[in-house]
Amino acid sequence: GAVVSQHPSRVICKSGTSVKIECRSLDFQATTMFWYRQFPKQSLMLMATSNEGSKATYEQGVEKDKFLINHASLTLSTLTVTSAHPEDSSFYICSARSGGFTDTQYFGPGTRLTVL
Amino acid sequence: GQQVMQIPQYQHVQEGEDFTTYCNSSTTLSNIQWYKQRPGGHPVFLIQLVKSGEVKKQKRLTFQFGEAKKNSSLHITATQTTDVGTYFCAGSGSARQLTFGSGTQLTVLP
Repeated sequence: GAVVSQHPSRVICKSGTSVKIECRSLDFQATTMFWYRQFPKQSLMLMATSNEGSKATYEQGVEKDKFLINHASLTLSTLTVTSAHPEDSSFYICSARSGGFTDTQYFGPGTRLTVL
Repeated sequence: GQQVMQIPQYQHVQEGEDFTTYCNSSTTLSNIQWYKQRPGGHPVFLIQLVKSGEVKKQKRLTFQFGEAKKNSSLHITATQTTDVGTYFCAGSGSARQLTFGSGTQLTVLP
C-alpha cells in the first residue's frame, strides 16, 4: 500500500515554456501533499505544502507565481513550472501524507526536469 | 527555523565493515524518520522513531532516537554492496513538516 505516482518521470523543455507535473496517491487519500526539489548531490528542499481544497503554503524563497500548485482532489496534486529557465532544471519529488496523526510521507518516483 | 544536521556527508567502507550516520536537530522533534535513496532513485521510507530513547532494528540496521528527541543515528552492521545509497534523516516538528538532513552518501567497496 501507500503508493504515490508521479508523471512524467522525465521532461525536457525549451526555456520559456511551462511544464506540469502530476502527483497521485494511488491507494490512499492524501489530505496533504508536499513538493520538494533536489539538486544533484544535495538534500531534498521543501518547496511547498498543499492541502486539498486550499491554497498551497510556499517556503521562503519559492516564487508562488512561478511554481503553481493545485491540489484539487484527495488523490491528485499538480505542480506547474511556468516560464521555465535552465536554473529550474532539477529533480522534483512529491510526497503524500494520509492524514490523521501519522507524519509518514510517501514519496513519488520524482520528475527530472531539464530546461534547455 | 528548524535545522537538521547530518554527518558524515560521505562514507566509504569495505564490504563487511560497519557504518553509522548521525543526525542532530536544532529543536526538539516530535518524531524522526529515515529514508534511503539509491542513485537515480527517490527516497524510500525506512522507519519512524517517536519515543524518547527509542531503538528499533531492521535486520542489520539499528535506529536510535535520543533521550532529548533532538538526535538520532542509523547503524548498519556488516555492510553489503546492496546498502549503497544516500541515507537521509528527516525531522518532524510542531508544523508536521519534514526537514531533511543533508544526507550521508554510503559507498561500499567489494
